[in-house]
Amino acid sequence: QSALTQPASVSGSPGQSITISCTGTSSDVGSYNLVSWYQHHPGKAPKLIIFEGIKWPSGVSNRFSGSKSGNTASLTISGLQAEDEADYYCCSYAGSSTLVFGGGTKLTVL
Amino acid sequence: EVQLLESGGGLVQPGGSLRLSCAASGFTFSTYAMFWVRLAPGRGLEWVSSISGTGGNTYYADSVKGRFTISRDNSKNTLYLQMNSLRAGDTAAYHCAKPHCGGGDCYRPPDNWGQGTLVTVSS
Repeated sequence: QSALTQPASVSGSPGQSITISCTGTSSDVGSYNLVSWYQHHPGKAPKLIIFEGIKWPSGVSNRFSGSKSGNTASLTISGLQAEDEADYYCCSYAGSSTLVFGGGTKLTVL
Repeated sequence: EVQLLESGGGLVQPGGSLRLSCAASGFTFSTYAMFWVRLAPGRGLEWVSSISGTGGNTYYADSVKGRFTISRDNSKNTLYLQMNSLRAGDTAAYHCAKPHCGGGDCYRPPDNWGQGTLVTVSS
C-alpha cells in the first residue's frame, strides 16, 4: 500500500502547459487502466477531472488530458489559467477492492 | 445530483473513539460500494476503507486495520466509520466517496466526494 509518487509542486505561467507525473508499480498503475485525477481546493470536495487514464467527465475542460505509459500516468494542463491553481492528486485501483493515491502536487500559476 | 455530507468529526484525545457518518443522496445508495479516504496535513490523500453495496464485504488499509470499522445502513442511505484507539497520525479530514461504477462490488476510483469532516487527535 505504498503511495503513488507525484512531484510536490509544479508551476507555470498563464497560457503555458504543465505536466504532472504519477508513478506507481506493476501492481497498480501498470496493471489497470483505472487511474483518475482530481483537482482539490482546500476545504472543498476533490473534483474528478480525468478517469480511466484518459477520459473526461462531463463538464470538465478538455484543457486537461491524461496519458499512461507503463507504471506512470501523467496529467497535462494546457492553456494554464489562474483558476487552475490547486492541488492535484492521482489515484489508481490497486486490486483487492483497494485504492492507492499519490502524495499530491501543488500547482502554482505564476 | 449526487450529494455526500460527512459529519461526526471533532477533537479527541489519543486512545479515544469517534464515529463518522456520511449521508448520501442523488443516487441509489445500496447499489454502490463506498469509500472512506483521508487527507492529513502535509500528506496526500490516503485510502482508508471500502465497503460493498450490501455491506457484506469490507476492506481496510493496514494503517487502520483492527482499529476502524466501516459499515452502512442502506435504509438510511448512510455510511459510517467507527474509529477506535485513535492516534495523532489519524488527524485528517475524512471524506466519503462514491466509486465511478455501480453494481455494489465495483471499486473504481471515485467520481463523487463529500467535503470532509475534520478529525483532530490531540491531548
